[in-house]
Amino acid sequence: SYELTQPPSLSVSPGQTAIVTCSSDKLGNRYTSWYQQKPGQSPVLVIYKDNKRPSGIPERFSGSNSGNTATLTISGTQPLDEADYYCQSWDISNVIFGGGTRLTVL
Amino acid sequence: EVQLLETGGGLIQPGGSLRLSCAASGFTVSSNYMSWVRQAPGKGLEWLAIIYSGGSSYYADSVNGRFTISRDSSRNTLYLQMNNLRADDTAVYYCAANVVVVAANGFDLWGQGTLVSVSS
Repeated sequence: SYELTQPPSLSVSPGQTAIVTCSSDKLGNRYTSWYQQKPGQSPVLVIYKDNKRPSGIPERFSGSNSGNTATLTISGTQPLDEADYYCQSWDISNVIFGGGTRLTVL
Repeated sequence: EVQLLETGGGLIQPGGSLRLSCAASGFTVSSNYMSWVRQAPGKGLEWLAIIYSGGSSYYADSVNGRFTISRDSSRNTLYLQMNNLRADDTAVYYCAANVVVVAANGFDLWGQGTLVSVSS
């Protein structure tokens, strides 16, 4: 079955760039979305169709997808960006989530 | 304002059944695809089922044959019928939809979640 692989954790200092990866075979051929989830809250869509930001999502969030890897980049990471991040793609008509990456900003 | 509100969670014994509801407001449930996603305590997001605007539905292997997704346009509500529940079905259950962004290929609207606990 199709799987999306994310690193379990990532730590950055405030102001640095955080790069969260999501890998799978030929992922670049499929659209990928990214979600942010803070403790006790529902997920929030931060990137869709690989690199598009929904209204209200800060410009410091960006995405790319090529080859076998999709990437979520947070430029100038702020303490409020500390959260779990999940990638999501499609396997024909089914939805797949990555295992999630816990981003710590310290 | 578009909104999703899940109800129906609770404590259920192993082998039991439960039906979750997801009431939509500000849009119609048949207008685009909608899904159920769950999150076990301390774990990641797990997709369970999807229903498309045309009515086709698909399931994750983990729940195929036990769970059924459906919708009632007259009540503007999405449902998840869960049968033969097991302890590892314990999770917060979310409904999610693509509502705001046209053809987002993702889920831009999520409910607040409802907790299902399976225990004797």
